[in-house]
Amino acid sequence: GEDVEQSLFLSVREGDSSVINCTYTDSSSTYLYWYKQEPGAGLQLLTYIFSNMDMKQDQRLTVLLNKKDKHLSLRIADTQTGDSAIYFCAEKPGFQKLVFGTGTRLLVSP
Amino acid sequence: EAEVAQSPRYKITEKSQAVAFWCDPISGHATLYWYRQILGQGPELLVQFQDESVVDDSQLPKDRFSAERLKGVDSTLKIQPAELGDSAMYLCASSLAGFGGPGGGGDIQYFGAGTRLSVL
Repeated sequence: GEDVEQSLFLSVREGDSSVINCTYTDSSSTYLYWYKQEPGAGLQLLTYIFSNMDMKQDQRLTVLLNKKDKHLSLRIADTQTGDSAIYFCAEKPGFQKLVFGTGTRLLVSP
Repeated sequence: EAEVAQSPRYKITEKSQAVAFWCDPISGHATLYWYRQILGQGPELLVQFQDESVVDDSQLPKDRFSAERLKGVDSTLKIQPAELGDSAMYLCASSLAGFGGPGGGGDIQYFGAGTRLSVL
């Protein structure tokens, strides 16, 4: 079945690291994505990881993938107030459609 | 930087009226997607076009929703008649290859800013 789960809310202080978690269910997912959505806006792709990788780093972003547990995480180093947004993980089983999680609202306080 | 264009940004309508949304994908992108995002949820695919052909409309409520991409470029999504439960953000996305195609990152989808629909 298709079901991507995320925690609803995360609050951190500016300068701390943020870790947003995601659990997916389709073991055939070949790509997993992280998107960011600011209020009233569309989705912005942050990063993605192919299923044969365990980790991907891109500047302040680190993605960890645990295929055995079907667990994906996004770590944001040195979190800034501008990082406050909703973060969606999404899985893509083969050539099928993207399936999004419910989103994690990240609030960064000064 | 190329973007997916959508209009209008906001639309307020009364139930039973007709509404239409427009999307212009990134130039050269063969695949176009329409998503509906209900407040507090992730986007859900309504319809996917490969060029001018529909490849997935399994979640499109066909009794009231219609979508077209006549020349394989821009697209229109229509709701007639609108119902209260249609209030949502309607997002358009495009990708280079799409269904069954190659492409780095599993064919990345780029999203427009969306149309926020309120049905009163």
